[in-house]
Amino acid sequence: DTGVSQDPRHKITKRGQNVTFRCDPISEHNRLYWYRQTLGQGPEFLTYFQNEAQLEKSRLLSDRFSAERPKGSFSTLEIQRTEQGDSAMYLCASRHGTGGSPLHFGNGTRLTVT
Amino acid sequence: GENVEQHPSTLSVQEGDSAVIKCTYSDSASNYFPWYKQELGKGPQLIIDIRSNVGEKKDQRIAVTLNKTAKHFSLHITETQPEDSAVYFCAASEGGGFKTIFGAGTRLFVKA
Repeated sequence: DTGVSQDPRHKITKRGQNVTFRCDPISEHNRLYWYRQTLGQGPEFLTYFQNEAQLEKSRLLSDRFSAERPKGSFSTLEIQRTEQGDSAMYLCASRHGTGGSPLHFGNGTRLTVT
Repeated sequence: GENVEQHPSTLSVQEGDSAVIKCTYSDSASNYFPWYKQELGKGPQLIIDIRSNVGEKKDQRIAVTLNKTAKHFSLHITETQPEDSAVYFCAASEGGGFKTIFGAGTRLFVKA
């Protein structure tokens, strides 16, 4: 169990630019999640994959956000035309099983939009 | 929609004292309640969890209690140590579902 890996750890970008983050889940976990966390708040659900299928997206996820998990292994989260309000920590998590099993989180990608 | 409320937002205790964090949830279908600890610059890490068929669970200095009727659950840390200082999150989910809802977090300071 090498844990959930996220890359990059930090990203600073100018408003209007596109950014892409990568998540490598624990290898035997078929469920992968993206959460967003702002200062002083708990993680907020963004989207969820079971294998390669994206099964749920939060209303928080605007059209500028897109996520993929092409082969049911790693996942990418892209934000197009970034805005200052997108500045946050983006957390990836994976689990083996349904909602009754624990989430395993990566250390996140901290995005700063200037 | 589903909601988890967590109190207090900040808690300061002396080393060796106990700390208690309380949460309430709104979704009656929730039956799995994990607690996570988040240290600076890291993602949340599971420290203990409880399922709805159990009222209490203990792991060394950490214990969780669940009152399903009142939709309350609590984290108890005894004999606190400076390394317990972190942000703690409660969460709730439905076992057969996919979404886990988190509280807003409690920042715990343990003073040496």
